[in-house]
Amino acid sequence: DIQLTQSPSFLSASVGDRITITCRASQGISTYLAWFQQNLGKAPKLLIYAASTLQSGVPSRFSGSGSATEFTLTINSLQPDDFATYYCLQLKSYPYTFGQGTKLEIK
Amino acid sequence: QVHLMESGGGVVQPGRSLRLSCAASGFTFSDYAMHWVRQAPGKGLEWVAVISYDGSYENYADSVKGRLTISRNNPKNTLYLQMNSLRDDDTAVYYCVRQAPTSPFDPWGQGIMVTVSS
Repeated sequence: DIQLTQSPSFLSASVGDRITITCRASQGISTYLAWFQQNLGKAPKLLIYAASTLQSGVPSRFSGSGSATEFTLTINSLQPDDFATYYCLQLKSYPYTFGQGTKLEIK
Repeated sequence: QVHLMESGGGVVQPGRSLRLSCAASGFTFSDYAMHWVRQAPGKGLEWVAVISYDGSYENYADSVKGRLTISRNNPKNTLYLQMNSLRDDDTAVYYCVRQAPTSPFDPWGQGIMVTVSS
């Protein structure tokens, strides 16, 4: 099975900051990676797929990059609604696997 | 408007069974593969199972293989998860999710809670 490791697990930042979350795969997955945002008590929301394609309706301050085993999610100019938990997901092969999550908190 | 709504959750004793349903609307259900994903209280997301658009292919997480079965009824626009031999660690919110060639894993249902407890 392909393992995904996100870092950091917790991140403290302020409104207006730029942050980066990393997702590392245990083997190459090309660009079969998606990123999700989950607010407390809500269903996850797709942000980015194919490693770098922004889902329709998602603000352009979100961006993704990477391929093979290393991927990043960047959020520019953090807004209050961005403080949530973020997950990566590999869609290269079954069983699909999620990273353990990164909780982004207000400093 | 694309919409998924889960139902059938609740409290069940260990070893018993439960069937979840996911009603789809706003799109041609029979064109899309579908997934179940779960989230234990305070924990991360766990992929559970997938079924192809026509029901001919299924795949499962090792943790549920042999106990949980995904199925679908395309004329009824409904996805199912039959859960047998339930264990304490099956306690979670269960989400149904649509898979598309673009926009994979979108949208998600609102989730339904399953609690396995004696």
